[in-house]
Amino acid sequence: AQRVTQPEKLLSVFKGAPVELKCNYSYSGSPELFWYVQYSRQRLQLLLRHISRESIKGFTADLNKGETSFHLKKPFAQEEDSAMYYCALSVDQGAQKLVFGQGTRLTINP
Amino acid sequence: DTAVSQTPKYLVTQMGNDKSIKCEQNLGHDTMYWYKQDSKKFLKIMFSYNNKELIINETVPNRFSPKSPDKAHLNLHINSLELGDSAVYFCASSRDRGTGYTFGSGTRLTVV
Repeated sequence: AQRVTQPEKLLSVFKGAPVELKCNYSYSGSPELFWYVQYSRQRLQLLLRHISRESIKGFTADLNKGETSFHLKKPFAQEEDSAMYYCALSVDQGAQKLVFGQGTRLTINP
Repeated sequence: DTAVSQTPKYLVTQMGNDKSIKCEQNLGHDTMYWYKQDSKKFLKIMFSYNNKELIINETVPNRFSPKSPDKAHLNLHINSLELGDSAVYFCASSRDRGTGYTFGSGTRLTVV
């Protein structure tokens, strides 16, 4: 069964502190993973995907197949990072189907 | 120019009514989706269409019927609305695997 787990529903850190949002997945195939972000009153936006190994807005995420994890990290949090973050796993079911985690609400305190 | 647009943004309606939500994308993507976000913010796929053909149909009550007149449009019709249908419904589209989705801004449906 395909599953994405984000163990923290809420995460609160101070501005300038490091941030790590955890994501673990369960999938028998070759995983393709994404992080999506939803700022207040805005649509879900793609933040980054593991295949491009990019850094967006200072965030990075490394796929660890041994630990089946895809944690999102940023060394210095900024207030504008406050948002809802979703980890998603792409599974092939005829079309690309994204299975989302439960989401983590990140709050950056001044 | 909005890439994936949904209408309406808000919909308040009484139990038992029938309503539709429309979605259009101008990205030239072949695949479109409907997702439901419940009150706990959990996102779950409902349907996926590829080039007007139904590809994914998750366990959704048959009161929900998607319709894709062409590959740029995917509408969602809901019959006999129930209180539990209250949620935010997101439309999305994608080009192919590995590229992720582009989401619409969501339709907040409230059934009273």
